[in-house]
Amino acid sequence: NAGVTQTPKFQVLKTGQSMTLQCAQDMNHNSMYWYRQDPGMGLRLIYYSASEGTTDKGEVPNGYNVSRLNKREFSLRLESAAPSQTSVYFCASSEREKAFLGQYFGPGTRLTVL
Amino acid sequence: AQSVSQHNHHVILSEAASLELGCNYSYGGTVNLFWYVQYPGQHLQLLLKYFSGDPLVKGIKGFEAEFIKSKFSFNLRKPSVQWSDTAEYFCAVNALASGTYKYIFGTGTRLKVLA
Repeated sequence: NAGVTQTPKFQVLKTGQSMTLQCAQDMNHNSMYWYRQDPGMGLRLIYYSASEGTTDKGEVPNGYNVSRLNKREFSLRLESAAPSQTSVYFCASSEREKAFLGQYFGPGTRLTVL
Repeated sequence: AQSVSQHNHHVILSEAASLELGCNYSYGGTVNLFWYVQYPGQHLQLLLKYFSGDPLVKGIKGFEAEFIKSKFSFNLRKPSVQWSDTAEYFCAVNALASGTYKYIFGTGTRLKVLA
Protein backbone atom coordinates (compact mmCIF):
# COMPACT_ATOMS: atom_id res chain seq x y z
CA ASN A 1 0.00 0.00 0.00
CA ALA A 2 1.29 3.44 -0.91
CA GLY A 3 -1.09 5.08 1.58
CA VAL A 4 -1.65 8.73 0.70
CA THR A 5 0.35 10.15 -2.19
CA GLN A 6 0.67 13.76 -3.28
CA THR A 7 2.10 15.45 -6.34
CA PRO A 8 4.08 17.55 -6.84
CA LYS A 9 6.44 17.63 -3.84
CA PHE A 10 7.70 21.12 -4.57
CA GLN A 11 6.33 23.96 -6.68
CA VAL A 12 7.21 27.58 -7.29
CA LEU A 13 4.57 29.84 -8.81
CA LYS A 14 4.37 33.47 -9.75
CA THR A 15 1.54 35.58 -8.41
CA GLY A 16 -1.56 35.04 -10.51
CA GLN A 17 -0.60 31.63 -11.85
CA SER A 18 -2.83 28.65 -11.30
CA MET A 19 -2.08 25.07 -10.37
CA THR A 20 -3.65 21.88 -9.09
CA LEU A 21 -2.31 19.76 -6.28
CA GLN A 22 -3.12 16.09 -6.64
CA CYS A 23 -3.86 13.62 -3.87
CA ALA A 24 -4.70 9.94 -4.01
CA GLN A 25 -5.23 7.25 -1.36
CA ASP A 26 -5.39 3.49 -1.74
CA MET A 27 -6.90 2.64 1.65
CA ASN A 28 -10.53 2.76 0.47
CA HIS A 29 -11.23 5.66 2.82
CA ASN A 30 -14.41 7.66 2.44
CA SER A 31 -13.15 10.94 3.86
CA MET A 32 -10.36 13.11 2.50
CA TYR A 33 -8.96 16.47 3.62
CA TRP A 34 -6.69 19.28 2.53
CA TYR A 35 -4.70 21.21 5.13
CA ARG A 36 -2.12 23.94 5.01
CA GLN A 37 0.68 24.14 7.54
CA ASP A 38 2.26 27.44 8.43
CA PRO A 39 4.86 28.11 11.13
CA GLY A 40 3.26 28.62 14.53
CA MET A 41 -0.24 27.99 13.23
CA GLY A 42 -0.43 24.24 13.15
CA LEU A 43 -2.63 22.62 10.53
CA ARG A 44 -5.59 24.50 9.20
CA LEU A 45 -8.32 22.76 7.27
CA ILE A 46 -8.94 24.16 3.79
CA TYR A 47 -11.57 21.78 2.44
CA TYR A 48 -12.75 18.32 3.17
CA SER A 49 -14.81 15.63 1.52
CA ALA A 50 -16.75 13.42 3.89
CA SER A 51 -17.58 11.00 1.10
CA GLU A 52 -17.39 10.67 -2.65
CA GLY A 53 -19.50 13.35 -4.29
CA THR A 54 -19.45 15.80 -1.39
CA THR A 55 -17.11 18.63 -0.47
CA ASP A 56 -17.28 21.23 2.29
CA LYS A 57 -15.35 24.30 3.31
CA GLY A 58 -13.00 24.17 6.21
CA GLU A 59 -11.41 26.95 8.20
CA VAL A 60 -9.50 28.72 5.39
CA PRO A 61 -11.18 28.02 2.01
CA ASN A 62 -10.72 31.40 0.32
CA GLY A 63 -8.63 31.23 -2.83
CA TYR A 64 -9.00 27.48 -3.22
CA ASN A 65 -11.28 25.02 -4.95
CA VAL A 66 -11.45 21.26 -4.68
CA SER A 67 -12.66 18.31 -6.69
CA ARG A 68 -13.42 14.85 -5.37
CA LEU A 69 -12.77 13.06 -8.63
CA ASN A 70 -13.63 9.61 -7.29
CA LYS A 71 -13.23 7.73 -4.04
CA ARG A 72 -9.43 7.66 -4.39
CA GLU A 73 -8.63 11.16 -5.57
CA PHE A 74 -9.10 14.63 -4.11
CA SER A 75 -7.48 17.60 -5.82
CA LEU A 76 -6.88 21.15 -4.63
CA ARG A 77 -6.79 24.01 -7.10
CA LEU A 78 -5.36 27.50 -6.73
CA GLU A 79 -6.97 29.60 -9.45
CA SER A 80 -4.84 32.73 -8.98
CA ALA A 81 -1.97 32.15 -6.60
CA ALA A 82 -1.03 34.81 -4.06
CA PRO A 83 2.09 35.09 -1.84
CA SER A 84 -0.15 34.45 1.19
CA GLN A 85 -0.68 30.94 -0.16
CA THR A 86 2.98 30.07 0.29
CA SER A 87 2.75 27.10 2.60
CA VAL A 88 3.11 23.37 2.95
CA TYR A 89 -0.02 21.54 1.87
CA PHE A 90 -0.99 18.16 3.27
CA CYS A 91 -3.66 15.81 2.09
CA ALA A 92 -5.14 13.30 4.53
CA SER A 93 -7.72 10.54 4.52
CA SER A 94 -9.71 8.66 7.12
CA GLU A 95 -12.46 6.08 7.48
CA ARG A 96 -15.67 7.98 7.85
CA GLU A 97 -17.32 5.36 10.06
CA LYS A 98 -14.20 4.84 12.16
CA ALA A 99 -13.14 8.37 12.93
CA PHE A 100 -11.50 7.17 16.14
CA LEU A 101 -8.75 5.56 14.07
CA GLY A 102 -7.38 8.95 13.07
CA GLN A 103 -6.12 10.32 9.79
CA TYR A 104 -3.40 9.24 7.41
CA PHE A 105 -1.31 11.98 5.87
CA GLY A 106 0.50 12.36 2.58
CA PRO A 107 4.10 13.60 2.30
CA GLY A 108 3.10 17.18 1.56
CA THR A 109 3.61 19.74 -1.19
CA ARG A 110 5.85 22.72 -0.45
CA LEU A 111 4.49 25.65 -2.44
CA THR A 112 6.18 29.01 -2.86
CA VAL A 113 4.36 31.88 -4.52
CA LEU A 114 6.59 34.75 -5.62
CA ALA B 1 -16.02 27.06 19.07
CA GLN B 2 -13.98 23.92 19.44
CA SER B 3 -10.30 24.48 19.99
CA VAL B 4 -7.11 22.69 20.98
CA SER B 5 -4.39 24.39 22.98
CA GLN B 6 -0.80 23.30 23.22
CA HIS B 7 0.87 25.48 25.80
CA ASN B 8 4.49 24.71 25.02
CA HIS B 9 5.59 25.96 21.63
CA HIS B 10 9.25 25.06 21.94
CA VAL B 11 10.84 22.57 24.31
CA ILE B 12 14.53 21.78 24.59
CA LEU B 13 15.65 18.75 26.58
CA SER B 14 18.79 16.73 27.06
CA GLU B 15 18.80 13.05 26.25
CA ALA B 16 17.35 10.88 29.03
CA ALA B 17 15.26 13.74 30.40
CA SER B 18 11.56 13.17 30.93
CA LEU B 19 9.02 14.78 28.65
CA GLU B 20 5.52 16.05 29.20
CA LEU B 21 3.70 18.09 26.57
CA GLY B 22 0.41 19.69 27.49
CA CYS B 23 -2.78 19.56 25.45
CA ASN B 24 -6.16 20.97 26.41
CA TYR B 25 -9.30 21.02 24.32
CA SER B 26 -12.64 22.72 24.50
CA TYR B 27 -15.59 20.56 23.51
CA GLY B 28 -18.38 19.30 25.70
CA GLY B 29 -19.32 16.13 23.85
CA THR B 30 -17.65 12.84 23.07
CA VAL B 31 -14.22 13.23 21.54
CA ASN B 32 -11.48 11.11 20.08
CA LEU B 33 -7.99 12.34 20.92
CA PHE B 34 -4.74 11.98 19.03
CA TRP B 35 -1.08 12.86 19.13
CA TYR B 36 0.78 13.10 15.85
CA VAL B 37 4.50 13.48 15.32
CA GLN B 38 6.20 15.19 12.40
CA TYR B 39 9.92 14.49 12.00
CA PRO B 40 11.93 17.13 10.11
CA GLY B 41 10.93 17.19 6.46
CA GLN B 42 8.36 14.45 6.84
CA HIS B 43 4.60 14.14 7.03
CA LEU B 44 2.51 13.67 10.15
CA GLN B 45 2.40 10.21 11.64
CA LEU B 46 0.01 8.95 14.28
CA LEU B 47 1.75 8.50 17.62
CA LEU B 48 -1.19 7.37 19.72
CA LYS B 49 -4.92 7.74 20.10
CA TYR B 50 -7.66 7.55 22.70
CA PHE B 51 -11.32 6.89 22.03
CA SER B 52 -12.55 4.82 24.98
CA GLY B 53 -11.45 2.56 27.81
CA ASP B 54 -8.30 2.99 29.84
CA PRO B 55 -7.50 6.71 29.91
CA LEU B 56 -3.78 5.94 29.90
CA VAL B 57 -2.84 4.99 26.36
CA LYS B 58 0.47 3.77 25.08
CA GLY B 59 1.77 4.53 21.65
CA ILE B 60 4.81 3.85 19.57
CA LYS B 61 8.41 4.58 20.57
CA GLY B 62 7.69 4.59 24.32
CA PHE B 63 5.22 7.48 24.30
CA GLU B 64 2.09 7.50 26.40
CA ALA B 65 -0.73 9.94 27.04
CA GLU B 66 -3.33 10.33 29.75
CA PHE B 67 -6.87 11.49 29.13
CA ILE B 68 -8.26 13.45 32.08
CA LYS B 69 -11.86 14.19 31.24
CA SER B 70 -12.44 16.58 34.12
CA LYS B 71 -9.54 18.74 32.96
CA PHE B 72 -10.21 18.40 29.23
CA SER B 73 -6.59 17.38 28.87
CA PHE B 74 -4.60 14.79 26.96
CA ASN B 75 -0.96 15.26 27.87
CA LEU B 76 1.84 13.40 26.14
CA ARG B 77 4.64 11.84 28.17
CA LYS B 78 7.85 9.93 27.70
CA PRO B 79 10.06 8.90 30.63
CA SER B 80 13.37 9.25 28.79
CA VAL B 81 13.74 11.08 25.49
CA GLN B 82 16.25 10.30 22.78
CA TRP B 83 17.92 12.52 20.20
CA SER B 84 15.74 10.84 17.57
CA ASP B 85 12.62 12.24 19.27
CA THR B 86 13.48 15.68 17.91
CA ALA B 87 10.32 16.57 16.01
CA GLU B 88 7.17 18.62 16.10
CA TYR B 89 4.25 17.16 18.04
CA PHE B 90 0.60 17.93 17.37
CA CYS B 91 -2.38 17.23 19.55
CA ALA B 92 -5.69 16.77 17.72
CA VAL B 93 -9.32 16.30 18.65
CA ASN B 94 -11.94 14.61 16.55
CA ALA B 95 -15.54 15.44 17.39
CA LEU B 96 -18.94 15.18 15.80
CA ALA B 97 -20.15 18.53 14.50
CA SER B 98 -23.10 19.07 12.15
CA GLY B 99 -23.27 15.39 11.38
CA THR B 100 -19.63 15.11 10.36
CA TYR B 101 -16.54 14.20 12.28
CA LYS B 102 -14.07 17.05 12.19
CA TYR B 103 -10.47 17.13 13.26
CA ILE B 104 -9.04 20.13 15.05
CA PHE B 105 -5.30 20.46 15.54
CA GLY B 106 -3.27 22.35 18.07
CA THR B 107 -0.52 24.69 16.90
CA GLY B 108 2.19 22.16 17.65
CA THR B 109 5.17 21.86 19.99
CA ARG B 110 8.69 21.76 18.59
CA LEU B 111 10.86 19.43 20.64
CA LYS B 112 14.61 19.54 20.36
CA VAL B 113 16.60 16.87 22.16
CA LEU B 114 20.26 17.59 22.72
CA ALA B 115 22.65 14.68 22.45
